[in-house]
Amino acid sequence: DSGVTQTPKHLITATGQRVTLRCSPRSGDLSVYWYQQSLDQGLQFLIQYYNGEERAKGNILERFSAQQFPDLHSELNLSSLELGDSALYFCASSTQGGLSDEQFFGPGTRLTVL
Amino acid sequence: DAKTTQPPSMDCAEGRAANLPCNHSTISGNEYVYWYRQIHSQGPQYIIHGLKNNETNEMASLIITEDRKSSTLILPHATLRDTAVYYCIVSPSNTGNQFYFGTGTSLTVIP
Repeated sequence: DSGVTQTPKHLITATGQRVTLRCSPRSGDLSVYWYQQSLDQGLQFLIQYYNGEERAKGNILERFSAQQFPDLHSELNLSSLELGDSALYFCASSTQGGLSDEQFFGPGTRLTVL
Repeated sequence: DAKTTQPPSMDCAEGRAANLPCNHSTISGNEYVYWYRQIHSQGPQYIIHGLKNNETNEMASLIITEDRKSSTLILPHATLRDTAVYYCIVSPSNTGNQFYFGTGTSLTVIP
């Protein structure tokens, strides 16, 4: 158990819909990362937050957005969903988000878009 | 960002040491080498990381060459539960420390 929690575990929805994925980092960790893992793309970095502020952006679509709240939990919002958005979405956290800080990953949310 | 090259698959006999190689010839001076593994569709699990010196923890050892262009992850006594995809990652030296996962090495531990 990494100490990172994600809800829900599974999500099934239809094209065009909007969903919100939630992540609670390990106690004391200030940085949160979101990754997407699909069959054809592998694990891809989406976005990182540090203490409520966006720090880095990766291959995140404009239909996707995220935020980190004052209590440090984070939410990833996916809108206008397409079939290709079906994937595992992982959240990770680290203490400061620095180069020497290991990231601890949550169990993931499996999103299925029908 | 430094890219890594790993063999796509390896086998290892149970109880023997598993040595997983990784090339990262474009690594910069302040970039760390990280190793993670992923079992089925579980969240990636942190194994070990290092900058220049060799590192050891309860899970594995990390050997980094002197020129830092390659490294080897060593699982000293592989068990069936070590069957997983192993990722070698070089942390980028720009802001954020976001990880770029490649395709990794699929390690199969054989009874």
